[in-house]
Amino acid sequence: DQQVKQNSPSLSVQEGRISILNCDYTNSMFDYFLWYKKYPAEGPTFLISISSIKDKNEDGRFTVFLNKSAKHLSLHIVPSQPGDSAVYFCAASATGAQKLVFGQGTRLTINP
Amino acid sequence: SQTIHQWPATLVQPVGSPLSLECTVEGTSNPNLYWYRQAAGRGLQLLFYSVGIGQISSEVPQNLSASRPQDRQFILSSKKLLLSDSGFYLCAWSAAYGYTFGSGTRLTVV
Repeated sequence: DQQVKQNSPSLSVQEGRISILNCDYTNSMFDYFLWYKKYPAEGPTFLISISSIKDKNEDGRFTVFLNKSAKHLSLHIVPSQPGDSAVYFCAASATGAQKLVFGQGTRLTINP
Repeated sequence: SQTIHQWPATLVQPVGSPLSLECTVEGTSNPNLYWYRQAAGRGLQLLFYSVGIGQISSEVPQNLSASRPQDRQFILSSKKLLLSDSGFYLCAWSAAYGYTFGSGTRLTVV
């Protein structure tokens, strides 16, 4: 039972354009969502998060949007840079839960 | 500041050999600790988590086990490795905003 789904295994974007990574979830108890970025042979690093009381959180070039009714969130990166090429994981948790549930990841490639 | 150490970085082991991966956390007490695996072309799969010394929760049946002998130490083990145990193993601890991950161990079973 995949509670957090990233249906696009890969995405290719031109440098300078906007990258949009999508994530869907099924558990209505999830109330906190995170995005992680992972380079090969390294551990994932925290990128940005959003609580369910918000619908948008922005940090520099990164913005996360949350649509609770659709159980959907997205990560926008603008402008995209070559260093953004990595695997991006969406994750979710519920208040009181001891663990994060991760999506399968989306490999983002920024082309010059 | 809090840091997480994971070793070794890479490991090549023959089928049937034992395994021991260690993870330690500094700068915090009583953290929640986690072992994840990223198999080739797949996402992050939670293997075990621990909310305290000696307390281990297993998420999926498998050939691996975990132990937490000390508050800030989390060990992933196997008595006999299988080819399917190959993957990238990540330790993490639960920080205020989510998880902080270690640098990972690339395990290749041959």
